[in-house]
Amino acid sequence: KQEVTQIPAALSVPEGENLVLNCSFTDSAIYNLQWFRQDPGKGLTSLLLIQSSQREQTSGRLNASLDKSSGRSTLYIAASQPGDSATYLCAVRPDTGANSKLTFGKGITLSVRP
Amino acid sequence: GEEVAQTPKHLVRGEGQKAKLYCAPIKGHSYVFWYQQVLKNEFKFLISFQNENVFDETGMPKERFSAKCLPNSPCSLEIQATKLEDSAVYFCASSQSSGLTQYFGPGTRLTVL
Repeated sequence: KQEVTQIPAALSVPEGENLVLNCSFTDSAIYNLQWFRQDPGKGLTSLLLIQSSQREQTSGRLNASLDKSSGRSTLYIAASQPGDSATYLCAVRPDTGANSKLTFGKGITLSVRP
Repeated sequence: GEEVAQTPKHLVRGEGQKAKLYCAPIKGHSYVFWYQQVLKNEFKFLISFQNENVFDETGMPKERFSAKCLPNSPCSLEIQATKLEDSAVYFCASSQSSGLTQYFGPGTRLTVL
């Protein structure tokens, strides 16, 4: 059974800092990995999706990397801003079909202090 | 539409009552997924559809939960005889075929009293 772990559960940093959010998964047979952002009381916003054959994806100040063999992904946020404060979740899709279910980590709640 | 739409936003039911939630996927998306978020950040997969066909229902508590995606209608998730532990936010997501991004709706918050 796939398990996805995100540590720490919460993180507080000053504005402007570059930071890395970690995600690990136990079964490396994944089809892809997706990073989401969830604001309080809101739904999920997809940030980046990395296919299993890819090493990284970039969008603006965000960069996600994937090391499938070691079961790890990182989300790098450059020059953090208070507006980045949210919960960041990673989720993996197993390599059993292109549209099978996502298994989520419990998320990292990020607070960026002005 | 360009976004996944879910209705209602909030739903309150007494224990034992029925609850029905609706989801309209993004136009052109063939796949629909339902997830349950019970505790903060604990997402549990319930069921997925490919068009109107069930694709994966391994997460569904079948004795009380049912779901449908019929042509030209919003998808629905129905809970018969709700229990206190069904209180959660239920998210719907949709995607195009072949492993592309799942887009999530804003969720329906179900409170069972």
